[in-house]
Amino acid sequence: NAGVMQNPRHLVRRRGQEARLRCSPMKGHSHVYWYRQLPEEGLKFMVYLQKENIIDESGMPKERFSAEFPKEGPSILRIQQVVRGDSAAYFCASSPGTSEQFFGPGTRLTVL
Amino acid sequence: GNSVTQMEGPVTLSEEAFLTINCTYTATGYPSLFWYVQYPGEGLQLLLKATKADDKGSNKGFEATYRKETTSFHLEKGSVQVSDSAVYFCALLSSGSARQLTFGSGTQLTVLP
Repeated sequence: NAGVMQNPRHLVRRRGQEARLRCSPMKGHSHVYWYRQLPEEGLKFMVYLQKENIIDESGMPKERFSAEFPKEGPSILRIQQVVRGDSAAYFCASSPGTSEQFFGPGTRLTVL
Repeated sequence: GNSVTQMEGPVTLSEEAFLTINCTYTATGYPSLFWYVQYPGEGLQLLLKATKADDKGSNKGFEATYRKETTSFHLEKGSVQVSDSAVYFCALLSSGSARQLTFGSGTQLTVLP
């Protein structure tokens, strides 16, 4: 019973490039959440999605960031024109709709 | 809004010592409360949870009791091991329609042999 999968685990981008982070939820889970962890800080909520719908994006920066969870395939967090301040660990979690969220191993983004 | 305040670290203990990591929260309604653990370079693992007042969550020798009167959910373990060295996060999930977890800032625990 595979857990939440995220790839890549590590991603290096130069300023101005695009970053695409992928998340495959646990089997049977239709709810996906993205969180960001800046160095030495706790996790901050970014966005909550269900299949083909964004439910809550109150934690997403207004510019350059977008997320989707298509009918088929993984959820994608996209960061356009990355800046050094985007360097962080990005975690995806999934749930079947109950209170408990299961986390993936994270993608560590480094912007040079 | 919701918030979680955790005891600041780092915390360094000797093996077999008693552990307490304090956590208090602010939330409307009746949130669910969680402790997550993060080992170096890994994601978060759920350690324990409690969904209503006076519930006690427990796992792997760790326990925490949901205290509504003091809005607290302190993590305790009677005898820590070197393998417990990690970062511990307290978190809450609102009882409303919002599904986002609100995390504390984390407490780094190091256990020395």
